[in-house]
Amino acid sequence: DQQVKQNSPSLSVQEGRISILNCDYTNSMFDYFLWYKKYPAEGPTFLISISSIKDKNEDGRFTVFLNKSAKHLSLHIVPSQPGDSAVYFCAASARQAGTALIFGKGTTLSVSS
Amino acid sequence: GAGVSQSPSNKVTEKGKDVELRCDPISGHTALYWYRQSLGQGLEFLIYFQGNSAPDKSGLPSDRFSAERTGGSVSTLTIQRTQQEDSAVYLCASSPQGHQPQHFGDGTRLSIL
Repeated sequence: DQQVKQNSPSLSVQEGRISILNCDYTNSMFDYFLWYKKYPAEGPTFLISISSIKDKNEDGRFTVFLNKSAKHLSLHIVPSQPGDSAVYFCAASARQAGTALIFGKGTTLSVSS
Repeated sequence: GAGVSQSPSNKVTEKGKDVELRCDPISGHTALYWYRQSLGQGLEFLIYFQGNSAPDKSGLPSDRFSAERTGGSVSTLTIQRTQQEDSAVYLCASSPQGHQPQHFGDGTRLSIL
């Protein structure tokens, strides 16, 4: 059974608007969450992370929100740019050194100009 | 470059042959991870190294899969008697002493005919 779920395979947004990507998890042991961005034929690139002791983390145009009671996190991109078009993966781990990341299946974001 | 390097970038082989995939992590990163991404799926954890030892091999799908790491640096993932279901992109990541985030290479696209 999938422990990390990204229920929207794709999302289309106009340039300048907000993109909201969602992720749900089932394992209550997860306490560290990451978002990666992936272009075709390239490896995933780390974007932003959040620890379970926080409910929000912001880095420039990217903000991640965590709702522990709902086991839900989201990535907000404001304003969206055409270069943001990529596949976005949500990942989770227990806060221990060396544990594997558990990934969702990804959401393909398309930003049109 | 300073990133994670993987070779070959593409590999096509016949069913039943053995293949070796190589990963050169970021210098100084003691933790190394192998993942694979099958078509339309998220990244699936295979194995984790801390130094030359592998404390977590839980993701290796069968005994046809093995990996080693020598000198605390380069790692090789070997798949014996390849099957068509082994076709996937194999991704390697590294991190300093197992802490997040993990930094990924661009992967090896393996195609089994």
